[in-house]
Amino acid sequence: DGGITQSPKYLFRKEGQNVTLSCEQNLNHDAMYWYRQDPGQGLRLIYYSQIVNDFQKGDIAEGYSVSREKKESFPLTVTSAQKNPTAFYLCASTLTGAGANVLTFGAGSRLTVL
Amino acid sequence: KQEVTQIPAALSVPEGENLVLNCSFTDSAIYNLQWFRQDPGKGLTSLLLIQSSQREQTSGRLNASLDKSSGRSTLYIAASQPGDSATYLCAAGSGGYQKVTFGTGTKLQVIP
Repeated sequence: DGGITQSPKYLFRKEGQNVTLSCEQNLNHDAMYWYRQDPGQGLRLIYYSQIVNDFQKGDIAEGYSVSREKKESFPLTVTSAQKNPTAFYLCASTLTGAGANVLTFGAGSRLTVL
Repeated sequence: KQEVTQIPAALSVPEGENLVLNCSFTDSAIYNLQWFRQDPGKGLTSLLLIQSSQREQTSGRLNASLDKSSGRSTLYIAASQPGDSATYLCAAGSGGYQKVTFGTGTKLQVIP
C-alpha cells in the first residue's frame, strides 16, 4: 500500500547532537513537508519541497536543515542550534496542480532531548 | 496572516449522540478546508476536504460544511461511537498549496 514512512518512531538526543529524521513516500507525490507539533499548539511548518533539489523555509526553520535528493525522500536534520527540539515531528506529502492539496501524513517521530 | 481557531478544546459526549465540531478562520481567501483525525501519538488521517467552491462534503457518518463568508467550517458526526474518540483538527489552505494553517484541535471523548 502507498504511504509515508517515518523513522525512527522514537528518538532520544543529548544536547549538542545533531539527529536526522527519515521520511520516505511511495505515493509519487511531488511536494513534501515537515511539521512540528507541540502540546496545545497547531502544527507548524518547518520546511517544504515542491520538487527534487529544491526546498523552502517554513515558519520555524531555524535550527533545522533538509535535503531533497530523491522524489521519494525528504530527511530532516535537527541541529544543535535548535534550542527546544523536543517535539513530535510529522512528515506530509501532496500532489501539486489541479486536484491537489490533500495532505497525507506519516505516523510521526517523537524526539526527546535528554 | 491566517489564524484558525477550534472551540472547544475538549468535548465529552455519550455514545450515540450527534455532535458538531467548529472551526473558524480569519482570512476567507482560502483554497480549501481540510478536516483531520489524530489518535494519541499518531499521525494525522485526512477525513474530508472541502474545496473553496464547495459547501459541504460527506463521508459515512461525517459531514463537513464550509461557509467562507463567515469564516467557518463545521464537522458533523452522526451517532457517535467510542471509536470516534480522538483529536480532530481543521486546516485552512490558502496562498498556494504549501500555505496550510492548522487549528489546535478539539479532543473528543465518546463515553460508552
